[in-house]
Amino acid sequence: QKEVEQNSGPLSVPEGAIASLNCTYSDRVSQSFFWYRQYSGKSPELIMSIYSNGDKEDGRFTAQLNKASQYVSLLIRDSQPSDSATYLCAVRGVTNAGKSTFGDGTTLTVKP
Amino acid sequence: GAGVSQSPSNKVTEKGKDVELRCDPISGHTALYWYRQRLGQGLEFLIYFQGNSAPDKSGLPSDRFSAERTGESVSTLTIQRTQQEDSAVYLCASSILLTGVDTIYFGEGSWLTVV
Repeated sequence: QKEVEQNSGPLSVPEGAIASLNCTYSDRVSQSFFWYRQYSGKSPELIMSIYSNGDKEDGRFTAQLNKASQYVSLLIRDSQPSDSATYLCAVRGVTNAGKSTFGDGTTLTVKP
Repeated sequence: GAGVSQSPSNKVTEKGKDVELRCDPISGHTALYWYRQRLGQGLEFLIYFQGNSAPDKSGLPSDRFSAERTGESVSTLTIQRTQQEDSAVYLCASSILLTGVDTIYFGEGSWLTVV
């Protein structure tokens, strides 16, 4: 079992719809959770971080964390073609804060 | 500089040769990280530095890989006797501290092709 698992996709949604990206992790003592966006051929860019259970909203993006279920998700409202990218989930632990463990990413395509 | 700078941006090398990849973190950032990303895959942790020390080298794939950091600034990732499976983009990142909640900023990567 991978430490951080994501559906590889591709996930395709029409413009204006809600895109839902999911991530599960195996280490129960994980502390910090991050969503990165990576355009093809580019480096990852942080879009959301979340540290406590519940929802965190930032513009069109909402991150949701459920530590009991070891589950973190990212919702993108009013999806735009420019949101088309690979979304990487990353997890950092308590005991080794220097190591982020990444999932393999979910590729999202937003169709005009 | 304004962001994390990596060089070379692209490197094609022959199997068996050694390569050095350089990373210049954001000024003042004490933590520095190296990741590897193979085509179509997620990021694979290699090593991180807190200051000039590397507390966790467990991610280095083999003893052909080594990394150092000097002056709490520039870091070099060295791959000796390169193999074709080393072909990937090598991403360097930095953060102000090493708290687990601080933002990590990535460079544009060094694309390595071993032929």
